[in-house]
Amino acid sequence: GEDVEQSLFLSVREGDSSVINCTYTDSSSTYLYWYKQEPGAGLQLLTYIFSNMDMKQDQRLTVLLNKKDKHLSLRIADTQTGDSAIYFCAETFLNAGNMLTFGGGTRLMVKP
Amino acid sequence: DADVTQTPRNRITKTGKRIMLECSQTKGHDRMYWYRQDPGLGLQLIYYSFDVKDINKGEISDGYSVSRQAQAKFSLSLESAIPNQTALYFCATSDIREGYEQFFGPGTRLTVL
Repeated sequence: GEDVEQSLFLSVREGDSSVINCTYTDSSSTYLYWYKQEPGAGLQLLTYIFSNMDMKQDQRLTVLLNKKDKHLSLRIADTQTGDSAIYFCAETFLNAGNMLTFGGGTRLMVKP
Repeated sequence: DADVTQTPRNRITKTGKRIMLECSQTKGHDRMYWYRQDPGLGLQLIYYSFDVKDINKGEISDGYSVSRQAQAKFSLSLESAIPNQTALYFCATSDIREGYEQFFGPGTRLTVL
């Protein structure tokens, strides 16, 4: 079965880089996603990577995918206080109707 | 105006009461979903609907039921609420025209005493 795991908490200083990690167990996933949840709000899609890619960069965000180790990471460069939120990784499978399986979420705290 | 709305945003109820959470969308999406969020557990899928005539159970459907009244509306019911159904509930929508990206509502915080 699918299992997606993340560490619960990360604290960084403003201006530093943040790296949020995620591991998954099912190698047949087709897309892997990063969602951001701000306090009192729903989830917003930040970025995604197709399973045949190793890296994707989008402004301050860099997603790295290591398929061999089933490891996904999200790097946020020049982290700002507005980046403080819970970050969820999620995977989806071609044969599962694009259903999402979420990790438990990593709470990122950015200190000024 | 928000594309995916949920009502109520907060609800406190007692054990044994019937509760309905409503979700509406203006995106014209075919697919709609109900999730619950518990701290440290991410989002777990309760039910999903690929169109008005299609309803499917998710990972944790026991104790819940749904109704897809129209393409734009998907309601979640707790027939007899119990304290371990205290959670944050999210509705989401998706559609092939947007690559099946899921768009989430703002959530309903439900407390069962």
